[in-house]
Amino acid sequence: EDQVTQSPEALRLQEGESSSLNCSYTVSGLRGLFWYRQDPGKGPEFLFTLYSAGEEKEKERLKATLTKKESFLHITAPKPEDSATYLCAVRPLNNFNKFYFGSGTKLNVKP
Amino acid sequence: EPEVTQTPSHQVTQMGQEVILRCVPISNHLYFYWYRQILGQKVEFLVSFYNNEISEKSEIFDDQFSVERPDGSNFTLKIRSTKLEDSAMYFCASSEYLEDEQYFGPGTRLTVT
Repeated sequence: EDQVTQSPEALRLQEGESSSLNCSYTVSGLRGLFWYRQDPGKGPEFLFTLYSAGEEKEKERLKATLTKKESFLHITAPKPEDSATYLCAVRPLNNFNKFYFGSGTKLNVKP
Repeated sequence: EPEVTQTPSHQVTQMGQEVILRCVPISNHLYFYWYRQILGQKVEFLVSFYNNEISEKSEIFDDQFSVERPDGSNFTLKIRSTKLEDSAMYFCASSEYLEDEQYFGPGTRLTVT
């Protein structure tokens, strides 16, 4: 069964304290891993797409990386406005039509 | 910047009633999706739609649910005879191509009483 697991469930950081979020997946072939940010009561906001192991994408303080079994979202020197839930979704190779989402990591950055 | 819009933002209905949730996908997108998120749980895939047909549906998407693209801009999710357990946030999403990232709307919070 296709599975997406994110850790930790929650993370509290001081402003400026860098860290990483993890997304591990077991799918029968990967055809894309996607990172989203979700603010309370809002829809997921697209951040990155990764397609192959070794690929990296960066945007401001965020950097996403991908291996054959997991992805990391590195947050460098976070600010309070980075506080949100970060969601990982995978698209399996044998079914392009659906995303499987993880439960998310709720990030709280304190000033 | 183009965005997916959804109406209403909040819908309250009584058990057994029918509701229609509306979405306007990004205009040049060809693939449309509905997801739901029960409070505190994962975002769950419901259905994907392309070329006026359902291309994939989950086990959640039973005969109670239907989708339609009634005109060139709207995409709707109908829930017949709502149940208490249908209470959730419903998100519409769209993508230009099948392998692209999906862009999500702000959601409709459905409360069934």
